Amino acid sequence: NAGVTQTPKFQVLKTGQSMTLQCAQDMNHEYMSWYRQDPGMGLRLIHYSVGAGITDQGEVPNGYNVSRSTTEDFPLRLLSAAPSQTSVYFCASSYLGSIGEQFFGPGTRLTVL
Amino acid sequence: GQQVMQIPQYQHVQEGEDFTTYCNSSTTLSNIQWYKQRPGGHPVFLIQLVKSGEVKKQKRLTFQFGEAKKNSSLHITATQTTDVGTYFCAGARNSGAGSYQLTFGKGTKLSVIP
Repeated sequence: NAGVTQTPKFQVLKTGQSMTLQCAQDMNHEYMSWYRQDPGMGLRLIHYSVGAGITDQGEVPNGYNVSRSTTEDFPLRLLSAAPSQTSVYFCASSYLGSIGEQFFGPGTRLTVL
Repeated sequence: GQQVMQIPQYQHVQEGEDFTTYCNSSTTLSNIQWYKQRPGGHPVFLIQLVKSGEVKKQKRLTFQFGEAKKNSSLHITATQTTDVGTYFCAGARNSGAGSYQLTFGKGTKLSVIP
């Protein structure tokens, strides 16, 4: 099993550009989530999904959209990138939802100029 | 909202010294999870504590969950250079209707001086 995969690993955007961060898992986990990690701020939840067709906001959802059309995929969209969105983004999945062990992907390092 | 405070933010130790990081929640937790993130890597699950007063050990690592289920600690005995990284606690709280909210602490970054 590949576990949780994320693409791209690195990305540089200009302010106002849009892009999609990809996340996929092959463990048949219903629960998936997106976090951003900034220095000294720990991991902050952006959006999460408890299953295909169901998404909800986390702690810092502004500026991000998500969708969940399949169990495997959970893309994160930045519609109009801002420098404040420069961060490392981690996707995670779990068999037992937020109460269970979270399996993290390798992360995407995003820089917005 | 729920807050999970973790201290210290940084810890520098000589190899062979012990290390402890502490986690405190403003609310009672259903469980607490611990993760380790190596430099440049992603968080990796270490353990989960569920019961009040629970203590679990993994080799040189000892994890404790407080009696009130609001605090936890991770203690590493005789640190090694392989212990370098950032240790995060994450508290799961029942947010109603069968759902849970997981909140991460800001982490403790451990440096080990050989």
